[in-house]
Amino acid sequence: GQSLEQPSEVTAVEGAIVQINCTYQTSGFYGLSWYQQHDGGAPTFLSYNALDGLEETGRFSSFLSRSDSYGYLLLQELQMKDSASYFCAVRDQNSGYALNFGKGTSLLVTP
Amino acid sequence: DVKVTQSSRYLVKRTGEKVFLECVQDMDHENMFWYRQDPGLGLRLIYFSYDVKMKEKGDIPEGYSVSREKKERFSLILESASTNQTSMYLCASRNSQGQLSEQYFGPGTRLTVT
Repeated sequence: GQSLEQPSEVTAVEGAIVQINCTYQTSGFYGLSWYQQHDGGAPTFLSYNALDGLEETGRFSSFLSRSDSYGYLLLQELQMKDSASYFCAVRDQNSGYALNFGKGTSLLVTP
Repeated sequence: DVKVTQSSRYLVKRTGEKVFLECVQDMDHENMFWYRQDPGLGLRLIYFSYDVKMKEKGDIPEGYSVSREKKERFSLILESASTNQTSMYLCASRNSQGQLSEQYFGPGTRLTVT
């Protein structure tokens, strides 16, 4: 079956860099996505990696290593508004049309 | 901008009641999804629909059913609500021709069953 592992909580200081890791076990892997969710809000799509390497979008980057079944989300120049939950999600042959989400990482950015 | 709306932000129902949660999207997306979100468990897929009148069970379909009579509307039905169905329910939609991992979520319905 599928499983995704990510840390439950991470704390970092404003202006710093933080990395949120995600490891997965799956079959027929298509790609790894990241979503952000603020308290009381809806999850919003951040990034998608289907191939190995780093994808950069402004202050956020996402990395994938298919051979290691591992990816991470990198947040640079942290701002207070980045305090949120971050979910990795896998699409594979089992999930098909759908996504299988990790349990989420709660990021707290402190002054 | 894609807009996904859900009929209620907060709902309180009694055990045994039949509950309808409605979701509407305005971007002509083929695929729609229902998740529930519980602390420490992340988002778990209940049902999804890849097109009108089509539905597939997700990971936790027990106690739920769905209806997709029109492309823009996807309904989640709790046939006989139970206290363990108290949760946040999130609807999402996706363009089957676009980025398949990019889902657009509604604001959620927080359902309490007493």
